[in-house]
Amino acid sequence: KQEVTQIPAALSVPEGENLVLNCSFTDSAIYNLQWFRQDPGKGLTSLLLIQSSQREQTSGRLNASLDKSSGRSTLYIAASQPGDSATYLCAVRPGETSGSRLTFGEGTQLTVNP
Amino acid sequence: ETGVTQSPTHLIKTRGQQVTLRCSSQSGHNTVSWYQQALGQGPQFIFQYYREEENGRGNFPPRFSGLQFPNYSSELNVNALELDDSALYLCASSPGQSYGYTFGSGTRLTVV
Repeated sequence: KQEVTQIPAALSVPEGENLVLNCSFTDSAIYNLQWFRQDPGKGLTSLLLIQSSQREQTSGRLNASLDKSSGRSTLYIAASQPGDSATYLCAVRPGETSGSRLTFGEGTQLTVNP
Repeated sequence: ETGVTQSPTHLIKTRGQQVTLRCSSQSGHNTVSWYQQALGQGPQFIFQYYREEENGRGNFPPRFSGLQFPNYSSELNVNALELDDSALYLCASSPGQSYGYTFGSGTRLTVV
């Protein structure tokens, strides 16, 4: 059974700091990994999708890496801003062809202080 | 693209009642999944439909059921509501395995 862990559970940083969020998963047989952002009481906004054959993906100030063999992914946020405050979730999609449920971590709650 | 739309946004029901939540996916998104998210936790997989057939189910009892329609809309039905069913219910759709999932903004269900 796939298990996804995110560390830390919460993080508070001053504006402008670079930061790294961590995600680990127990079964390396994944098809892809997706990072999401969730604002309080809202749905999930997709940030980055990394296929199992890729090492990293970049979008603006965000960079996500994937090391499938070790079961790890990181989300790097450069020059953090108060608007980045949200919960960040990672989710893995299994490699089997039938059924493609996402397994989520519990999330990292990020607060960026002005 | 119109995204994924869920209705209603909020709902209050009494224990023992039945509820239907609705989701409208993007055209071409043949896969739709439903998730339950309790406060402070990550979303938990309820079930998934592919081309109107259920093809995956999480650890949820049979009183959670669903339907997917040819027009890319879908429903989540919950019978005999319990207090623990209070949560944010999320619908997600995807055009295929190589693509990511797009989520709706969710329905907040409160059971009293």
